[in-house]
Amino acid sequence: KAGVTQTPRYLIKTRGQQVTLSCSPISGHRSVSWYQQTPGQGLQFLFEYFSETQRNKGNFPGRFSGRQFSNSRSEMNVSTLELGDSALYLCASSLAQGGNTQYFGPGTRLTVL
Amino acid sequence: TQLLEQSPQFLSIQEGENLTVYCNSSSVFSSLQWYRQEPGEGPVLLVTVVTGGEVKKLKRLTFQFGDARKDSSLHITAAQPGDTGLYLCAGDRSGGYQKVTFGTGTKLQVIP
Repeated sequence: KAGVTQTPRYLIKTRGQQVTLSCSPISGHRSVSWYQQTPGQGLQFLFEYFSETQRNKGNFPGRFSGRQFSNSRSEMNVSTLELGDSALYLCASSLAQGGNTQYFGPGTRLTVL
Repeated sequence: TQLLEQSPQFLSIQEGENLTVYCNSSSVFSSLQWYRQEPGEGPVLLVTVVTGGEVKKLKRLTFQFGDARKDSSLHITAAQPGDTGLYLCAGDRSGGYQKVTFGTGTKLQVIP
């Protein structure tokens, strides 16, 4: 069974731009969660989607948004990029909403200049 | 406030040594997971523990969930360079809609 895939793997943007990241979960998994990982803050939860609906949200500004499609694929969007948004963005899928066993993708490394 | 505190934060040991990593919280978790992450990659799930007092072994790795389900430990016997990485614990609180919370991480380096 194929694992979680994320595209692109690397991205360089400038301040003020917006970016869209994509995540394809493991086949049959319906929950997708997004995390931001930085050296200073560690792994921080952004949001979780299940059945095309956002079910949980972390403490991030409204510039961070996402959506999930009927095939469970998910996208995350960050608008008006700031230098502090530079991070590894990780997507994780699980079978059920709030599933305690998550499988992570390789991440998208975003650099904001 | 970090819900899950890991210690130590950094650990550098020689190949063949034993080590223990701790994951502590004041909250009760319905389950706890341990992950290992290598640079530039996503975390890889090692184990999930769900019962207080549970002990699970994975080759040279031994995982224990505290009786009160507030803490956990990871013990590695005869560490090898391949064990190098960032070890993360993650707790899941019961309630169905609760998100998973990750620990602060322990960066392990095993020197050949």
